[in-house]
Amino acid sequence: LAKTTQPISMDSYEGQEVNITCSHNNIATNDYITWYQQFPSQGPRFIIQGYKTKVTNEVASLFIPADRKSSTLSLPRVSLSDTAVYYCLVGARARNTDKLIFGTGTRLQVFP
Amino acid sequence: GAGVSQSPRYKVAKRGQDVALRCDPISGHVSLFWYQQALGQGPEFLTYFQNEAQLDKSGLPSDRFFAERPEGSVSTLKIQRTQQEDSAVYLCASSPRQGVGTDTQYFGPGTRLTVL
Repeated sequence: LAKTTQPISMDSYEGQEVNITCSHNNIATNDYITWYQQFPSQGPRFIIQGYKTKVTNEVASLFIPADRKSSTLSLPRVSLSDTAVYYCLVGARARNTDKLIFGTGTRLQVFP
Repeated sequence: GAGVSQSPRYKVAKRGQDVALRCDPISGHVSLFWYQQALGQGPEFLTYFQNEAQLDKSGLPSDRFFAERPEGSVSTLKIQRTQQEDSAVYLCASSPRQGVGTDTQYFGPGTRLTVL
């Protein structure tokens, strides 16, 4: 399974755009890139998923360059409620299971 | 439209006690997963069920850990003779289909286990 590397922590202020980059140099051809968000005392929550180029939903955008060795989660105009840990996952499918492989994530702190 | 629920939310056990953690997945979801999350770390995979079949238990840390899903819905994670290193949050997740690596997994709130 592809290993991911992302910053341990990031700080931002309300109203700013936040970009969190994840490196996954050994991503496989059939791997998707998925981001989850986790608030304290809650389970992770799916944010967005993509395979290549750009994906956008009501919460975030995901940018994936042509070589797919990295990806960037973009959160537009963050608010205090976006303070959470963000996980980048690649290669969820392993053998006959669909287990998710989480790293340590990026802890985003949004200040007023 | 209830989500994944877990009980109890908090459990304190004395070292050596047995504990049982329950997970109620979203109705109709085929796949069910258990993860262990230590403080400050990301969740780590424990085991996976497809309906009632346990297809992957490679993440269970020792033979003291046992999981079951006898009727393909509710699942129980049992830990025998608990040790202090078992203290963690135990997360359950479910997804609607099988064998689809891109399916979203829906997580419950977790059970925080503290072993004294």
